[in-house]
Amino acid sequence: DQQVKQNSPSLSVQEGRISILNCDYTNSMFDYFLWYKKYPAEGPTFLISISSIKDKNEDGRFTVFLNKSAKHLSLHIVPSQPGDSAVYFCAASAMSGGSNYKLTFGKGTLLTVNP
Amino acid sequence: ETGVTQTPRHLVMGMTNKKSLKCEQHLGHNAMYWYKQSAKKPLELMFVYSLEERVENNSVPSRFSPECPNSSHLFLHLHTLQPEDSALYLCASSQSSGYNSPLHFGNGTRLTVT
Repeated sequence: DQQVKQNSPSLSVQEGRISILNCDYTNSMFDYFLWYKKYPAEGPTFLISISSIKDKNEDGRFTVFLNKSAKHLSLHIVPSQPGDSAVYFCAASAMSGGSNYKLTFGKGTLLTVNP
Repeated sequence: ETGVTQTPRHLVMGMTNKKSLKCEQHLGHNAMYWYKQSAKKPLELMFVYSLEERVENNSVPSRFSPECPNSSHLFLHLHTLQPEDSALYLCASSQSSGYNSPLHFGNGTRLTVT
């Protein structure tokens, strides 16, 4: 049973336009959400995060929106650049005993930004 | 060197072999992780070590045996694996295993079991 779902395996956008990557979750205990980016032959790298007490977090061209009632978050990239082409993973964090937190990942969305 | 380093990058092993994956982090972090990424599946958490103590063992078969001798090093010992264990194995570290501590990943070991 997948608790974090990225329903779009791939997305293609034109350079300069907005990229919107979506993520849905089912576990209401998740209280912190992260996006990671992965290039081929490299490990994922942390991109941006948001706490459940917020509904928006912005970092340069990247903005993450959280809609807790819908259990939905999205990553907006604007303007998109060819270097943004990568797989984007959504992840959600919940307590896993003691003071430890466990990350649950989605399957990822392959973003292709065309010049 | 900086970041999280994994060796080897690629490994091919037979089902009767014993091999080990190595991970080293140069970030001064206190928590280390092993993740498995199979084709068309989400990253799956295998093990978590916090301050060199195992705090999570995510129902992983005993043919995978982790070892964390200190906060900078993490090993995954492999023994009598199955072909379905072929996957990308990722090591990660974080400042702590607590709230809002992002993971820093290595580049992974691509394992093929023949």
